[in-house]
Amino acid sequence: KNEVEQSPQNLTAQEGEFITINCSYSVGISALHWLQQHPGGGIVSLFMLSSGKKKHGRLIATINIQEKHSSLHITASHPRDSAVYICAVRSETSGSRLTFGEGTQLTVNP
Amino acid sequence: DTAVSQTPKYLVTQMGNDKSIKCEQNLGHDTMYWYKQDSKKFLKIMFSYNNKELIINETVPNRFSPKSPDKAHLNLHINSLELGDSAVYFCASSQATSGYNEQFFGPGTRLTVL
Repeated sequence: KNEVEQSPQNLTAQEGEFITINCSYSVGISALHWLQQHPGGGIVSLFMLSSGKKKHGRLIATINIQEKHSSLHITASHPRDSAVYICAVRSETSGSRLTFGEGTQLTVNP
Repeated sequence: DTAVSQTPKYLVTQMGNDKSIKCEQNLGHDTMYWYKQDSKKFLKIMFSYNNKELIINETVPNRFSPKSPDKAHLNLHINSLELGDSAVYFCASSQATSGYNEQFFGPGTRLTVL
């Protein structure tokens, strides 16, 4: 069992819908990252958080340390949001090593 | 300006060959990484260097040898390539090895071994 589990694996939505992607992890962490991988392959860091909530444009990331759970929300989704969203954690004992979830493939249809 | 760059973007080669992938970052970061993304899109750490010193070395065949001539460069050399080495390899960098440090990724190198 992977230390980082994401759900769902695949998600299809209609433009404008509110989207939630979940990430659960089984180790104590110092930070959690949300990454976006575009269809062209490039990886972009969206958020890095260790507590609470962060917002950037239409994207919101939350984390509950006690429950070992994080969510990524996209409001007013758009076809350009179609990508793979990857959760990654840095454990308390791993230094800079990131452990990745398997990713969530999001497709937003017009 | 490109923050983390990798060359080449695509690499197609025959089994048994030796090849290198280069990575450079102009962010002034101390730490650089190599990740492998398999056909199922799963990312896994391979190596990490901090100020030219190896700090993470996952269970990677010793055919893979990272080389860091300076802290802005981390190259990956692969000997005796095998079919299973086909993957996308990502380089990344961050300011430091611990704490709250964002990682910046290169565009990836798609390696295909025939």
